[in-house]
Amino acid sequence: DAMVIQNPRYQVTQFGKPVTLSCSQTLNHNVMYWYQQKSSQAPKLLFHYYDKDFNNEADTPDNFQSRRPNTSFCFLDIRSPGLGDAAMYLCATSRKGFSNQPQHFGDGTRLSIL
Amino acid sequence: QQQVKQSPQSLIVQKGGISIINCAYENTAFDYFPWYQQFPGKGPALLIAIRPDVSEKKEGRFTISFNKSAKQFSLHIMDSQPGDSATYFCAATPYNNNDMRFGAGTRLTVKP
Repeated sequence: DAMVIQNPRYQVTQFGKPVTLSCSQTLNHNVMYWYQQKSSQAPKLLFHYYDKDFNNEADTPDNFQSRRPNTSFCFLDIRSPGLGDAAMYLCATSRKGFSNQPQHFGDGTRLSIL
Repeated sequence: QQQVKQSPQSLIVQKGGISIINCAYENTAFDYFPWYQQFPGKGPALLIAIRPDVSEKKEGRFTISFNKSAKQFSLHIMDSQPGDSATYFCAATPYNNNDMRFGAGTRLTVKP
């Protein structure tokens, strides 16, 4: 089945130690998104790629960066994680250029900060 | 600024009952209204979606009612089952733009 896969499912890192989360997709969608979701809250969009064009949300901290080396893969880099960055990180994909297209989500990576 | 307002925050329903979750929006550029279902430890999964040119869409036990003039839409879950216990998010997307905005979510518990 075509899907969005996130690795690892659980990630533990130390305060201030850089961490990278990965996402891959077999849907061949041209848009990939990264969301942060904290407990009992809605997902919050961090940024998205439309093909190779990077779009950052205005309130996304500089501590968060992303890379998309090809259509299938996208990475979320957190340069110096703080305790407030502990959350579930969700990757999603969609087809832009077509109206009314849903976003397809992976099952997320739960990040813990020690 | 929350562009999609969702209520209630939590909902408890008896098995077999009807669950109703409401959402309202302000931005008239929104043109696509999906509902997502999220189980603990999982990502949101698309449940059902509607466009504003129809007033109702039904898929199995799930129905979206849409009121364009009031800028409101709601999810009805008929014959609610314990397996429906999850968090439900409404969302809205402008036409030809995947900038999706979520509601705050509703935690549904269906009691046996």
